[in-house]
Amino acid sequence: KAGVTQTPRYLIKTRGQQVTLSCSPISGHRSVSWYQQTPGQGLQFLFEYFSETQRNKGNFPGRFSGRQFSNSRSEMNVSTLELGDSALYLCASSLWGELTYGYTFGSGTRLTVV
Amino acid sequence: AQTVTQSQPEMSVQEAETVTLSCTYDTSENNYYLFWYKQPPSRQMILVIRQEAYKQQNATENRFSVNFQKAAKSFSLKISDSQLGDTAMYFCAFMEYGNKLVFGAGTILRVKS
Repeated sequence: KAGVTQTPRYLIKTRGQQVTLSCSPISGHRSVSWYQQTPGQGLQFLFEYFSETQRNKGNFPGRFSGRQFSNSRSEMNVSTLELGDSALYLCASSLWGELTYGYTFGSGTRLTVV
Repeated sequence: AQTVTQSQPEMSVQEAETVTLSCTYDTSENNYYLFWYKQPPSRQMILVIRQEAYKQQNATENRFSVNFQKAAKSFSLKISDSQLGDTAMYFCAFMEYGNKLVFGAGTILRVKS
């Protein structure tokens, strides 16, 4: 059974540009969440999608957005990149978004903004 | 706001020995879930063990077990018979409603041969 797949693994962008990251959840999983991991702030919740609807959102500016497609694949977009957006972006999926089993994470996309 | 505190930034243990990682959390809720995740250099977060707050029995998964003290809001992870492959960053995480995980700052565990 394939795990959670995130592409690309590494990305270098210039300040002011925009970027799109992709996440393919485990087959059959309908909930996808995104987290940002930085040395200074640790792991922070970005948003969660379930059946193409955003159910929950963290405290990030509007430059951070996401969406989920009918096949449960999800993308997140960051516009007008800032140096502080450099981070590891992790995607996690679960069957229903239920609380009991936690989430299965991907290996992340390392974004570097220069 | 819910918070999770891991007071040990780094720990070391000899192979085959036992180590305990500490975690405390703050919440006013009665129903919630607690997790320990492991993040090796490959970056993928791997679920180690989970605990439902309404269950008094401590969760166990092979060499991994927890000591869940609900009144004290404490959730420590014990790793028995430590192996070199256990070397990783360990995160304690809390989840209640909203399907949002709140993570602690992490503890780097190094297993020495």
